[in-house]
Amino acid sequence: DIVMTQSPDSLAVSLGERATINCKSSQSVLYSSNNKNYLSWYQQKPGQPPKLLIYWASTRESGVPDRFSGSGSGTDFTLTISSLQAEDVAVYSCQQYYSTPYTFGQGTKLEIK
Amino acid sequence: QVQLVQSGAEVKKPGASVKVSCKASGYTFTGYYMHWVRQAPGQGLEWMGWINPNSGGTVYAQKFQGRVTMTRDTSISTAYMELSRLRSDDSAVYYCARDADHLGYFDYWGQGTLVTASS
Repeated sequence: DIVMTQSPDSLAVSLGERATINCKSSQSVLYSSNNKNYLSWYQQKPGQPPKLLIYWASTRESGVPDRFSGSGSGTDFTLTISSLQAEDVAVYSCQQYYSTPYTFGQGTKLEIK
Repeated sequence: QVQLVQSGAEVKKPGASVKVSCKASGYTFTGYYMHWVRQAPGQGLEWMGWINPNSGGTVYAQKFQGRVTMTRDTSISTAYMELSRLRSDDSAVYYCARDADHLGYFDYWGQGTLVTASS
């Protein structure tokens, strides 16, 4: 199984500042035949289901604000929120869909400083 | 608009089975795989498997092989997940989630169903 490890476990950022969350996979999730990274990011607020933010490591889902961006390739990935808003307080999780069983990171809790 | 509406909370004794439903609307049910993902209290997300609503074909995570059964009823656009021989550590919120493009990431999620396994 591919193990997904996020860092940090929790993060406090001031409003308007940049937030950066890292995700590392135990093996590459880059599929060489199409040069795509099989990596997605989700946002989960308390009492709600996860919401898809990013897929293919850097493609923003429709309707997701452009302050959210994803980057990285192979085994190392980053979710960046360029200017933190109050409504961004949530747990963020990465997921690999390169191979089954699909696996998620443990989650990073983002709070306001 | 796409909606996935799940059945209500369940309390079961250890050793029993639970069956959770997920009714889809707003899209062609047979056109998208449906996955099941669970989340234990305060824990991360755990993928359980998927069903192809068109063919009924399934893929289960090895961890759940022999205990989980995913089925569907296309006449009512509903997917089901049954977990047998429940243990206390199966207590979790269970989600159905639509596969965006038969690829394994999830664009729509149900609201979740809390399953509690307790004596």
